[in-house]
Amino acid sequence: AQTVTQSQPEMSVQEAETVTLSCTYDTSESDYYLFWYKQPPSRQMILVIRQEAYKQQNATENRFSVNFQKAAKSFSLKISDSQLGDAAMYFCAYGGATNKLIFGTGTLLAVQP
Amino acid sequence: KAGVTQTPRYLIKTRGQQVTLSCSPISGHRSVSWYQQTPGQGLQFLFEYFSETQRNKGNFPGRFSGRQFSNSRSEMNVSTLELGDSALYLCASSFGTSGGMETQYFGPGTRLLVL
Repeated sequence: AQTVTQSQPEMSVQEAETVTLSCTYDTSESDYYLFWYKQPPSRQMILVIRQEAYKQQNATENRFSVNFQKAAKSFSLKISDSQLGDAAMYFCAYGGATNKLIFGTGTLLAVQP
Repeated sequence: KAGVTQTPRYLIKTRGQQVTLSCSPISGHRSVSWYQQTPGQGLQFLFEYFSETQRNKGNFPGRFSGRQFSNSRSEMNVSTLELGDSALYLCASSFGTSGGMETQYFGPGTRLLVL
């Protein structure tokens, strides 16, 4: 069975600084997707970034980028120039052969002004 | 383009009652998935519906059921409510046509409190 592990329950970053959130996963599938979702206090789950496993190039969306290490089964999220609005719970998620997401336990990110 | 909508946003029920939650997907999306989020168990997949058929199912008891209508709107029903069913129920939609994993877009959730 596939699993997703987020080992950092909480992180803190200063406004305008860079922070990296960690995620590791386990799977025997060769074709899969990885996602980072953000859940602010409103509880709405918002897609941050997506990575296809077959792509070697790391995905980037504006200030958000990932470091995808397929052999190590690692998928970290880097947030550059952190803003107050980035404060939220961040979930790493795995999607494989079926249209079903497996989530990690989340990392609560605080942004200090 | 309107996002995923869920109704109601908040519900309070008592043990033993049943509840129905509704989800309307993004226009053009035909797959609707449901997730339960609790502090203890985190985010767990309930089921996915596509073209009015349940396509994938998570590991939940039969008290949890769902259906999908021809306009892709989906309902989720929980019968004989238990205290442990108190949770945020999230609905997500995707195109559904690939048959495999797709990017899912979430609604705002329905917060259910069982007393």
